[in-house]
Amino acid sequence: GQNIDQPTEMTATEGAIVQINCTYQTSGFNGLFWYQQHAGEAPTFLSYNVLDGLEEKGRFSSFLSRSKGYSYLLLKELQMKDSASYLCAVDTGGFKTIFGAGTRLFVKA
Amino acid sequence: DVKVTQSSRYLVKRTGEKVFLECVQDMDHENMFWYRQDPGLGLRLIYFSYDVKMKEKGDIPEGYSVSREKKERFSLILESASTNQTSMYLCASTSSGAPNTGELFFGEGSRLTVL
Repeated sequence: GQNIDQPTEMTATEGAIVQINCTYQTSGFNGLFWYQQHAGEAPTFLSYNVLDGLEEKGRFSSFLSRSKGYSYLLLKELQMKDSASYLCAVDTGGFKTIFGAGTRLFVKA
Repeated sequence: DVKVTQSSRYLVKRTGEKVFLECVQDMDHENMFWYRQDPGLGLRLIYFSYDVKMKEKGDIPEGYSVSREKKERFSLILESASTNQTSMYLCASTSSGAPNTGELFFGEGSRLTVL
């Protein structure tokens, strides 16, 4: 079967660093997405990893290990506006992207 | 500003009613998708379309149908709504052309309640 696991909720403090983990087992793999979704809004694209390693984009970085079926999203210098759900998703090929249930991140002052 | 627009943000329908959810994108994308989003389950793919008049079943197509008569428009139809179809419905689109990461562009969502 296809499975994507990520923690349900996390809490972190403003200004801190938080790492959101994602593990996956899928029948196909073209790449891994991270999306951000604020409450009541559409998901928006954060990153896409195809190759192993770390990709940095401003305060956000995403890491992928294909051999371990593992990814993480790293958020630095947390701000209150980073409170949102973070969705891990795998592009399995054939136009199919499979999503995890999402991690709700609460940033406290 | 590129956009995916869903016709209704909130709908309340009765069991057995026929429901139409409309989605329009202005990015000339070939591929369009309908997902439903439920707490603890994430986004699940209902149907997708990679061309006009083409459609493919996703992971949970039962109880739903779709229509793609024009490239920019993708409709989700619930022939006879049931209470277990109460959910948030998200439309998305993506391009097949290069350069392409396969990034999905989502609409704001349609929250459907079936009584």
